[in-house]
Amino acid sequence: RKEVEQDPGPFNVPEGATVAFNCTYSNSASQSFFWYRQDCRKEPKLLMSVYSSGNEDGRFTAQLNRASQYISLLIRDSKLSDSATYLCVVNGRRGSARQLTFGSGTQLTVLP
Amino acid sequence: ETGVTQTPRHLVMGMTNKKSLKCEQHLGHNAMYWYKQSAKKPLELMFVYNFKEQTENNSVPSRFSPECPNSSHLFLHLHTLQPEDSALYLCASSLGTGREQYFGPGTRLTVT
Repeated sequence: RKEVEQDPGPFNVPEGATVAFNCTYSNSASQSFFWYRQDCRKEPKLLMSVYSSGNEDGRFTAQLNRASQYISLLIRDSKLSDSATYLCVVNGRRGSARQLTFGSGTQLTVLP
Repeated sequence: ETGVTQTPRHLVMGMTNKKSLKCEQHLGHNAMYWYKQSAKKPLELMFVYNFKEQTENNSVPSRFSPECPNSSHLFLHLHTLQPEDSALYLCASSLGTGREQYFGPGTRLTVT
């Protein structure tokens, strides 16, 4: 089983739609969780951290369910500029060190 | 954004050449990373350095040789590469190995 699993998509949604991505992780000892976005041929950029109580940043809402070991990202009122690949990232222990593990990403295309 | 810089941005090299990729971070971070991303593929972690010491080598072929002279600089020395090594090489840094990472813009490498 992969450490971090995401539905690769693609998700094609019209402008203004609400879209949700889920991600599951295998390491129950994981402590920190993030969402990154990666535009085509560019570097990944931190979108938001995910907190236990859930958190919101404008149109973006992140949720964490530790019991079921999944993380979600909700995007409301989608914009064309939201088109990107969204990476789920989980902090886990590898050997003696903590390390981030990146999911393979979910591709989103927002259509006019 | 100049938090993490990489040079060169594009590189074309023959299979017998030797070249180096350079990464510099201006964020006061202690950990630095090299990733490889082939076209339409997920990120592959190559090397991790924490306080200048290599803490992870993900079974990377010896034709890739990293160097970390201090916490702000990271190099990737390349020699006798193969065409399948053509990819986007991304450098990242973080405050600690389990913390959120910030990426440079990458070097797009083509091996001919």
